Amino acid sequence: AQKVTQAQTEISVVEKEDVTLDCVYETRDTTYYLFWYKQPPSGELVFLIRRNSFDEQNEISGRYSWNFQKSTSSFNFTITASQVVDSAVYFCALSGAPNSYNFNKFYFGSGTKLNVKP
Amino acid sequence: EAQVTQNPRYLITVTGKKLTVTCSQNMNHEYMSWYRQDPGLGLRQIYYSMNVEVTDKGDVPEGYKVSRKEKRNFPLILESPSPNQTSLYFCASSFQTNTEAFFGQGTRLTVV
Repeated sequence: AQKVTQAQTEISVVEKEDVTLDCVYETRDTTYYLFWYKQPPSGELVFLIRRNSFDEQNEISGRYSWNFQKSTSSFNFTITASQVVDSAVYFCALSGAPNSYNFNKFYFGSGTKLNVKP
Repeated sequence: EAQVTQNPRYLITVTGKKLTVTCSQNMNHEYMSWYRQDPGLGLRQIYYSMNVEVTDKGDVPEGYKVSRKEKRNFPLILESPSPNQTSLYFCASSFQTNTEAFFGQGTRLTVV
């Protein structure tokens, strides 16, 4: 079964703290894609990153970094030196790669609400 | 400006009264999808379309219909809405299935 678990419902930090959002997934596909999306208080959904299951290299983009570990089925997201503008709900998502059973289907986690206080 | 446009943004309707939520994208994307967002459940995929006239069920298709007669449009149809379909709905499009998705602004539907 396809499943994405974001066990942290809500996290509160003070500005400039580092914070890690956890994402654990289950899939029957041997190749797949993982995503992170951000939903700020305004409600729109914004793409952050896509990672192919073949590529286990960590990725860094400014204050954002992602740690993909296939051995533990996790794709965690870290924000370094958090800012108030990072306050949002963050969703992790999973999709099958072409020719996989779950190609074309997306499965989202329940989201983690991040509150960054000044 | 590249965008996905949903209408209406807000809708209150009564049980059983057919409604359509429209979705249009101007990026010539092949893949389009509908999701519902409910508290504690995240986003769940309702239907998706790989191209014109090609649609398939997502995780929660019951009570919904879709059509893809033109590449840019992907309406969501509720033939007989029920209160359990009260939710926030998002339409999304992407160049291909596993590429960056662009989401509409959302439609908040209340069925009484």
